[in-house]
Amino acid sequence: GQNIDQPTEMTATEGAIVQINCTYQTSGFNGLFWYQQHAGEAPTFLSYNVLDGLEEKGRFSSFLSRSKGYSYLLLKELQMKDSASYLCAVNLMTTDSWGKLQFGAGTQVVVTP
Amino acid sequence: GAGVSQTPSNKVTEKGKYVELRCDPISGHTALYWYRQSLGQGPEFLIYFQGTGAADDSGLPNDRFFAVRPEGSVSTLKIQRTERGDSAVYLCASSPGNTGELFFGEGSRLTVL
Repeated sequence: GQNIDQPTEMTATEGAIVQINCTYQTSGFNGLFWYQQHAGEAPTFLSYNVLDGLEEKGRFSSFLSRSKGYSYLLLKELQMKDSASYLCAVNLMTTDSWGKLQFGAGTQVVVTP
Repeated sequence: GAGVSQTPSNKVTEKGKYVELRCDPISGHTALYWYRQSLGQGPEFLIYFQGTGAADDSGLPNDRFFAVRPEGSVSTLKIQRTERGDSAVYLCASSPGNTGELFFGEGSRLTVL
């Protein structure tokens, strides 16, 4: 089966850095995505990795190691508005649809003053 | 419209009833997806449309679920003989092409009593 694991919750202080890890064991792999979801709202796209390495986008960076089945999302200079659930998702190679994603359960990040 | 629009935002129904959930994607987006999200879980893929045809309906849980997109724009998810286990937030997403960057709507929260 498909398995995507990420911690349930993380707490960090405003201005700090938080790293959200995601490990996956899937029958195929065609890219890893991170989405942010505020409570009661729609998920919004944050980042995409298909090759090994680090992708940086402002305060957010995402890393991928395909050989280890591992990714992380790094949030720097945390702000209160970053309190949200962060969803790790894998596109499985069994489909030609890039939007057919297998999501993890999400990591709830709580930013405290 | 500016974003993906879903109606109704909330639907409460009784077990055994029929429901329809509507999705109006971003204008010009050819790909449309339906996902279902239960409390504390990540979104779960249901069906994918490219244009008018259902390119992948492998995520539909059983034959009580059906979706259409007759003119390649608006889509309707139809659930027959609803069960309490169908209670969830039904998310619609669209994308301009074959990409994992999905634009999600706010969702339709379905509660089956």
